[in-house]
Amino acid sequence: AQSVTQPDIHITVSEGASLELRCNYSYGATPYLFWYVQSPGQGLQLLLKYFSGDTLVQGIKGFEAEFKRSQSSFNLRKPSVHWSDAAEYFCAVGVRAGNNRKLIWGLGTSLAVNP
Amino acid sequence: GAGVSQSPSNKVTEKGKDVELRCDPISGHTALYWYRQSLGQGLEFLIYFQGNSAPDKSGLPSDRFSAERTGGSVSTLTIQRTQQEDSAVYLCASSARAQGETQYFGPGTRLLVL
Repeated sequence: AQSVTQPDIHITVSEGASLELRCNYSYGATPYLFWYVQSPGQGLQLLLKYFSGDTLVQGIKGFEAEFKRSQSSFNLRKPSVHWSDAAEYFCAVGVRAGNNRKLIWGLGTSLAVNP
Repeated sequence: GAGVSQSPSNKVTEKGKDVELRCDPISGHTALYWYRQSLGQGLEFLIYFQGNSAPDKSGLPSDRFSAERTGGSVSTLTIQRTQQEDSAVYLCASSARAQGETQYFGPGTRLLVL
C-alpha cells in the first residue's frame, strides 16, 4: 500500500540555521513526489516536486529536496531559515494507476522558528 | 491568473442538516480533487474528477457524501445528514495534464457541525 511517513511531528530551529525535514514513502512504481507548505489559516502551497530526471530539485523560497530511491526518501532542505518559514510542511506521493489520481499525504511537520 | 476558489470559507451547521461546498477550479484544468483535512486524520483524499466524470470515488467516507461536477468546471461536494465527525477543512484542488498533474489547492472550507 502507498504511504508517506514524516517522522518529525514538530521541529524548532533558530533563524538563520539550516533545516532538513524528513520524508519517507512507500510506492510500488516510480513516484511523483511533492512538498507543500501550509501557513496558519492558509491553503496548501506547492514548494517543489519531483517527477523524473535530476534527483535534486529546487523550489520556491530557497527550498530544495533530494530524491533518494535507495532510501525511499525525499527530504526537504533549506540552508538558512527565515522567521516567515514557520508553517506546517507536508510531503505527498502522487498515485497514478488506472483511474486513480490522488495524493497520499504524510501527517506533516510543524516548523517553529526562534528569533 | 485566478487560482482555485472555494465557498463558503466557513460553515457552521447543526447535526443532521445537509451542506453544500463549492469549488471553482483554475480555468482550463480538466482534473479536480476533493480532500479533507482533520486533526486526527491528516489529509485524506475524497474524490477525483476528470472532466465531469468521477473515475475515483474511493475516498468518500460514507454514502452521505456525494459530489458532482458540471460543465467541466465547478464542483459541489454535498454532505447529507451531517455528523460531528464531519467537522474538518474541505480542500479542493485542480490540475492540468500539461503540468504533469501537479495539484493546486484552494483555501478550503472550514466546516463545523454542532
